[in-house]
Amino acid sequence: DTAVSQTPKYLVTQMGNDKSIKCEQNLGHDTMYWYKQDSKKFLKIMFSYNNKELIINETVPNRFSPKSPDKAHLNLHINSLELGDSAVYFCASSQDLAAGELFFGEGSRLTVL
Amino acid sequence: QKEVEQNSGPLSVPEGAIASLNCTYSDRGSQSFFWYRQYSGKSPELIMSIYSNGDKEDGRFTAQLNKASQYVSLLIRDSQPSDSATYLCARQRGTSYGKLTFGQGTILTVHP
Repeated sequence: DTAVSQTPKYLVTQMGNDKSIKCEQNLGHDTMYWYKQDSKKFLKIMFSYNNKELIINETVPNRFSPKSPDKAHLNLHINSLELGDSAVYFCASSQDLAAGELFFGEGSRLTVL
Repeated sequence: QKEVEQNSGPLSVPEGAIASLNCTYSDRGSQSFFWYRQYSGKSPELIMSIYSNGDKEDGRFTAQLNKASQYVSLLIRDSQPSDSATYLCARQRGTSYGKLTFGQGTILTVHP
């Protein structure tokens, strides 16, 4: 059983399209995250949720819409994709907000053409 | 200055040597530090955490935190080719729960 699973693993799409990534964790954790890793491997937080409540929105363009239907799921919808959105998007979870041990999903590689 | 900065690397060491990875941070205050390892094409995984000044050892890994000098380091003793990966330093401020800030990573290659 994969602890944090995200789908799809790969997305290739044209500029201007919309795409979604889904994430689920079966660890019973309270907190979930979206991180973006660029081509230089820099990992930057986008959003964090605690028990379905948005905690951190790290000045991400509003084309990015996270949604947490329950504490085990965190989805990411991206509108009007731009070339600069190409990256690997990692979902992660942690026991709670104070925990620094994050469990990452396998990542979703988004390529915008 | 970046919030969390790592020595740029890449770092190459021979098998059996000690690999030393360093990270500096920009401000004081209550904070915790974490070292993650990321193999190529994989997701990051936690290998060490350190919360207070001094050394913390776990097997071949030692994390060192010096709050006065604002640096944290990771030593890998008896380096193995399987240690070849990108190592990410991360910081969590005591006042910013829910946000782990990562450095840019250091690529380590251990050659036989």
